[in-house]
Amino acid sequence: GQSLEQPSEVTAVEGAIVQMNCTYQTSGFYGLSWYQQHDGGAPTFLSYNALDGLEETGRFSSFLSRSDSYGYLLLQELQMKDSASYFCAVTGGGNKLTFGTGTQLKVEL
Amino acid sequence: SQTIHQWPATLVQPVGSPLSLECTVEGTSNPNLYWYRQAAGRGLQLLFYSIGIDQISSEVPQNLSASRPQDRQFILSSKKLLLSDSGFYLCAWSPGTGGDEQYFGPGTRLTVT
Repeated sequence: GQSLEQPSEVTAVEGAIVQMNCTYQTSGFYGLSWYQQHDGGAPTFLSYNALDGLEETGRFSSFLSRSDSYGYLLLQELQMKDSASYFCAVTGGGNKLTFGTGTQLKVEL
Repeated sequence: SQTIHQWPATLVQPVGSPLSLECTVEGTSNPNLYWYRQAAGRGLQLLFYSIGIDQISSEVPQNLSASRPQDRQFILSSKKLLLSDSGFYLCAWSPGTGGDEQYFGPGTRLTVT
């Protein structure tokens, strides 16, 4: 089976940088994804890492270390609209996703 | 462009009543389709996934079932709802040819009373 661990909550100040971690245990692994979900909304895709290293998309970066079964999502220049829940998800066989329990990010002034 | 629709947006049903949630995808062919459930403050739990018509896999044993009568239509059903069935139900699709990303519908918030 798959299990993923994420801190439940992170608080940061507008304009700052925040890192949200994800550790996983899996019996099959094709990649690690990150999704953002605002309260009451649907998850939206942010990034995907299949190989070790850092992927950058604008203010968002995602890192993966397959040997450590670890990844993180980095958000720079935080804005109030970034307040949301962030989920990591492991892609297994059949393009199935197993989601972590999510980190709730609170951005303060 | 592709779009995914889900209805209804909210639903309040008594215990023991039936359920039917519908999801349709436009603008793509032969997608992989998924049903997830999310309890309040929790992550998403995969319930069913389908790689084609009448090809459906169940991930979690429960009193729910899924059907895919058409290529781009995915239906979640129950004959008798339980209180524990309350939650946020999300349909998603991904390209059948492979892809890193899943695209989620707006969701149905179900409350069983």
